[in-house]
Amino acid sequence: QSALTQPASVSGSPGQSITISCTGASSDIGNYNYVSWYQQHPGKAPKLIIFDVSNRPSGVSSRFSGSKSANTASLTISGLQVEDEAEYHCSSYSSTDSLVFGTGTKVTVL
Amino acid sequence: QELLVQSGAEVKRPGASVRVSCKASQYIFTDYYLHWVRRAPGQGLEWMGWFKPNTGWTYYAKKFQGWVTMTSEMSIATAHLDLSSLKSDDTAIYYCARGPPVGGPPQQNGRYFDYWGQGTLVTVSS
Repeated sequence: QSALTQPASVSGSPGQSITISCTGASSDIGNYNYVSWYQQHPGKAPKLIIFDVSNRPSGVSSRFSGSKSANTASLTISGLQVEDEAEYHCSSYSSTDSLVFGTGTKVTVL
Repeated sequence: QELLVQSGAEVKRPGASVRVSCKASQYIFTDYYLHWVRRAPGQGLEWMGWFKPNTGWTYYAKKFQGWVTMTSEMSIATAHLDLSSLKSDDTAIYYCARGPPVGGPPQQNGRYFDYWGQGTLVTVSS
């Protein structure tokens, strides 16, 4: 099972919006709405920020939003803040091996 | 207090075995799936499999079938991940993570991981 494809890095200035893509296939993102996103700061465990494509857990900032089109899911961070600098991982249910993660994207706040 | 607390770092020789433990608290251990995820240096997250505490059922990702075992001790709400025949590229941080409640359709058992352990570094080196 190949990992979902994410850009290695994305950057933006404070206050800007950025979007991270997560590309899979019809066996995962394309046919299932079980996409989630995790934020991971260095040396810390991942934190759930989006589940079921576009739902935010309680306590997660509304600056984080998720969407999906065909085989690609996206995470948008609006009003970028310094504390958003972290690595972001997508995941999806996969009919070929139950679950697959993305390759991970490092977000840099300029 | 954290919901999932993992055992400490391990250093092993190639070919050895290791056990990583994950103690759950503040929720009913048997009511939720428990997953294991690892992150090797310079790599992304890698899903290893799930464990269903109320039945003992497991599913291992294809890559890990045959050398990974997930079990639990329900009396102490603790899950275990056993790795055998370790190689240097198994050096990674291993995480346990709580999945959705048991009882839903199979496609949902990895929908999200809402709580994670702090991670256990396993170093495999000669």
